[in-house]
Amino acid sequence: EIVLTQSPGTLSLSPGERATLSCRASQSVSSSYLAWYQQKPGQAPRLLIYGASSRATGIPDNFSGSGSGTDFTLTISRLVPEDFAVYYCQQYGTSPNTFGQGTKLEIK
Amino acid sequence: EVQLLESGGDLVQPGGSLRLSCAASGFTFSSFAMSWVRQAPGKGLEWVSALSGGGSNTYYADSVKGRFTISRDNSKNTLYLQMNSLRTEDTAVYYCAKRLIAAPGGGGPFDIWGQGTMVTVSP
Repeated sequence: EIVLTQSPGTLSLSPGERATLSCRASQSVSSSYLAWYQQKPGQAPRLLIYGASSRATGIPDNFSGSGSGTDFTLTISRLVPEDFAVYYCQQYGTSPNTFGQGTKLEIK
Repeated sequence: EVQLLESGGDLVQPGGSLRLSCAASGFTFSSFAMSWVRQAPGKGLEWVSALSGGGSNTYYADSVKGRFTISRDNSKNTLYLQMNSLRTEDTAVYYCAKRLIAAPGGGGPFDIWGQGTMVTVSP
């Protein structure tokens, strides 16, 4: 099973700043089958990025994904209040699908 | 509108059984693999099980293998999760989720999620 480790556990930033979230895999993720999700309290997760760098439908371009192999990054270029949430990475190239433990992005 | 609606969550004793349902609408249900993903209170996401669009290929997390069974009725646009021998550690919100692309196999990424149904396993 591929273990995904997200860092940092909590990221404290202010609106307008840039956020960089990391996801590291215990082994190479097949074909960059890596996705990112955003989850707000009491809501289901929302797909942001798939294939490591492709934005899902309706996702603004201030969200971007990059990386390959074992190291992946989600970047939010300029934070707005509604971006503060928990973010999860997921690999879906190898069964079982696995999720990272999440990064909480909080307002500083 | 593409939508998933789960039901069937409840309070059940350890060792008991429960069947969850997920009603789908707004897309060609039979073309897409579907999954169950759970989230224990205050914890992260855990993929549980997946089923191919035609229903012939099933996939399970080790934590539920042999206890949970995923199935679907494409004539009713409904996904199911039969949960037997429930344990306290199965307590979670259970989400059904639609695979983004119509392709062979199971699993993610998941572009549509239901609102979740709560399963509580407690004496």
